[in-house]
Amino acid sequence: GENVEQHPSTLSVQEGDSAVIKCTYSDSASNYFPWYKQELGKRPQLIIDIRSNVGEKKDQRIAVTLNKTAKHFSLHITETQPEDSAVYFCAARDGYSSASKIIFGSGTRLSIRP
Amino acid sequence: EPEVTQTPSHQVTQMGQEVILRCVPISNHLYFYWYRQILGQKVEFLVSFYNNEISEKSEIFDDQFSVERPDGSNFTLKIRSTKLEDSAMYFCASSERQQGVSEQYFGPGTRLTVT
Repeated sequence: GENVEQHPSTLSVQEGDSAVIKCTYSDSASNYFPWYKQELGKRPQLIIDIRSNVGEKKDQRIAVTLNKTAKHFSLHITETQPEDSAVYFCAARDGYSSASKIIFGSGTRLSIRP
Repeated sequence: EPEVTQTPSHQVTQMGQEVILRCVPISNHLYFYWYRQILGQKVEFLVSFYNNEISEKSEIFDDQFSVERPDGSNFTLKIRSTKLEDSAMYFCASSERQQGVSEQYFGPGTRLTVT
């Protein structure tokens, strides 16, 4: 089955600077890579996702990159703001079917210093 | 925008008791899931459900767990005899049927505390 590794576990950046979170996955059959933001006590919220036929995707201050050969994918947040402080999870879908489960990484606690 | 809902938001129970966690998926969705998150840890898959049967389950989903779709709207997770280590946040999710990839929408979670 799929295994997703994520690092760093904690990340502190100055407001306005960029933050990068990196993940690797093990199963070359995985074809969908969502990123979730989770605030304390809340549900995981999808912030961006990337399919395996795309190398990069951007949505305002957030971008994701995917390297299928290396089985790496990354989240980039530019011009960080205090409201970006949260735990971020990368994930991979294990399989092609719509019923396939999502495998989460261990999470990165991002803190934005004012 | 339609959302997945879950009840109760917090459930406290004694060890050995049965609990039922309830979810109402988004109405046109056909795939349903339960995940759990122990405090401070990652979200873990428990079970997926489609066409009134389990599609896949994880090692966590042992004989103490069961799922049911008792009517056209609810999706439930039952834990028959709770253990202390069952304390966690339980998230329900649903996705619609479509070609290729479909997003899973998460509910707000039920915090289960076993004492």
